[in-house]
Amino acid sequence: DAGVIQSPRHEVTEMGQEVTLRCKPISGHDYLFWYRQTMMRGLELLIYFNNNVPIDDSGMPEDRFSAKMPNASFSTLKIQPSEPRDSAVYFCASRRTGGTGFSNQPQHFGDGTRLSIL
Amino acid sequence: AQSVTQPDIHITVSEGASLELRCNYSYGATPYLFWYVQSPGQGLQLLLKYFSGDTLVQGIKGFEAEFKRSQSSFNLRKPSVHWSDAAEYFCAVGANTDKLIFGTGTRLQVFP
Repeated sequence: DAGVIQSPRHEVTEMGQEVTLRCKPISGHDYLFWYRQTMMRGLELLIYFNNNVPIDDSGMPEDRFSAKMPNASFSTLKIQPSEPRDSAVYFCASRRTGGTGFSNQPQHFGDGTRLSIL
Repeated sequence: AQSVTQPDIHITVSEGASLELRCNYSYGATPYLFWYVQSPGQGLQLLLKYFSGDTLVQGIKGFEAEFKRSQSSFNLRKPSVHWSDAAEYFCAVGANTDKLIFGTGTRLQVFP
């Protein structure tokens, strides 16, 4: 079975440009999570969706960040305008609902997008 | 509130030696517990999980972990480490929330 697919794997762009990261979750998974990983802050949850609806975006750093999930098989994380401090590895993860609800099913991670803002 | 602590930032072992990575959690009831491994340039891969039942759980790549309620711990073990086990290891806890709380990770270095 295909895992979580993220694109691009690497992105290098100049400050001020718009950046769009893409994610295809595992088929049948109804939860999708976006994380950011840096050396200084570790792994941070940015936002998550359930059945394509954003549930908690409290981790989104500021208004320059936005995320959408137009259908069950696709999500985007957009940064506009980008800044050097946005440089990080961005992960997408998905999971299915557990039998008893909440997070009793493991999240499956993509290989991430390494973003460098110059 | 839930929290996860991985006390060891960096551990170095010799190939063939045994390994134990520590994880402590804070939660009032029995949580769901996970260990993930991250190799350089890759995402997090699930090693094993604990939901209920037998407190000793087996995972992939020869890893196991033991849930100890009295110590609020879920330590990861492997009897004999291989050079390919060098990676970063994350403990995570989930409970009455959709989200997982991740520890800060332990970087494992393996010497030949």
